[in-house]
Order: sequence, then C-alpha cells, then structure tokens
Amino acid sequence: AQTVTQSQPEMSVQEAETVTLSCTYDTSENNYYLFWYKQPPSRQMILVIRQEAYKQQNATENRFSVNFQKAAKSFSLKISDSQLGDTAMYFCAFMNNAGNMLTFGGGTRLMVKP
Amino acid sequence: GAVVSQHPSWVICKSGTSVKIECRSLDFQATTMFWYRQFPKQSLMLMATSNEGSKATYEQGVEKDKFLINHASLTLSTLTVTSAHPEDSSFYICSARQALQETQYFGPGTRLLVL
Repeated sequence: AQTVTQSQPEMSVQEAETVTLSCTYDTSENNYYLFWYKQPPSRQMILVIRQEAYKQQNATENRFSVNFQKAAKSFSLKISDSQLGDTAMYFCAFMNNAGNMLTFGGGTRLMVKP
Repeated sequence: GAVVSQHPSWVICKSGTSVKIECRSLDFQATTMFWYRQFPKQSLMLMATSNEGSKATYEQGVEKDKFLINHASLTLSTLTVTSAHPEDSSFYICSARQALQETQYFGPGTRLLVL
C-alpha cells in the first residue's frame, strides 16, 4: 500500500516570501501521479499542481512549482511570492497508474502573514 | 471547466433518520466518482469508489449498508447515510474523474450534523 507523509503540520511565511512544503511517499510502482491540493477555509479542495512520475521535468503553475525527486520519493511544493490568499491546508496526494484511488498525506497548514 | 457540485452543503438531522447527499459533475461526464470523509483538522479518508452503472467499492472499515452509494448516471452519484447517528457527523466530500483522466475534481463538501 502506498503511504504519503507530510512532516510539517504547520508552517508560516511572510507575504511575498517563498515557502517550501515537504512531501514524501512510499510506493513500489514505477508509474504514478502526484498532486498538491489546497483546501482554504471554505474547505473546497482545489488542485494546485500535478506531476506525472515518468516526466523528469518539474511541473510549474505560475507561482507554484514542485521539486520531484523520484529516487528519493520526494515531492515538495514551492510557493513563490506568497499571497494572503495562499493561506490554507495543503495536501500532497499519490495516485497509482491504475488511477483507482488517491492517497492523501496528513496535510500542512500554511499561514501567510501580512 | 471540471466543476463538481454537492447538495446540500449543510444538513442537520435527528438521530435515526437517513440523509442523502448528491454529487454532480456539471460540465463533464464522470465515469468514476469518489466519496471521502474528513474529520476536523484531519486529512481526507476515502470511503468508497463508484463507477457508473456498477456497484460501489468500499474501503475497509466502511459499512456498505450504512453508507449507500448509487452512481446511476455519468453526472450523478448519491451517498445516503442510513439511520444516521451523532458519530456520523462529519464533512463529506465527493470527487469525480473523467474516463482516461487521472485528475480528480472535488465538490465543495457537505457538512452533516446528527443530533
């Protein structure tokens, strides 16, 4: 079974600064997908970024980028130029190639301070 | 695109009653829908996976007779909490995925409070 670990329960960052959220996972599969979801106070889950394991290039979406280290089974999220609206819970998630389920990490609560 | 709705967003009911929650994919056909439960300050726990036209697959520890799931069409799945009790109070979230796509899109969630 796959497991996803987020070792930082809470983090804070000053507005306009950069912050990196950690995520590690455990799997014996070679092909899979990784995601970062954001859950603001409204509790709506919002897809932030995704990465296919077979792609070596790190995914980027505007201010959000990942550092995907396949050998180390690490998938960290970097948020640049942090904004107050980035305040939320962030969940790292793993999906196997069959795509039949998402496994979530425990989440990291990010607070962006003005 | 890829919008998922849930109804109701908030429900309060008496112990012993049944509650139905709807999950709809508004602008795409969802061959697979997922139901999650989330306790305060915790992560999402997958309850079951449903494929259109077939029986749902429940995760270990989830009572299928307690949480009835129906996925009768490509845009609608329902979760019925039967004979609800206070311990069923939680935040229930659905997600939907298109065929051959890996990304799940989430609904806004339903807060259930059983008195």
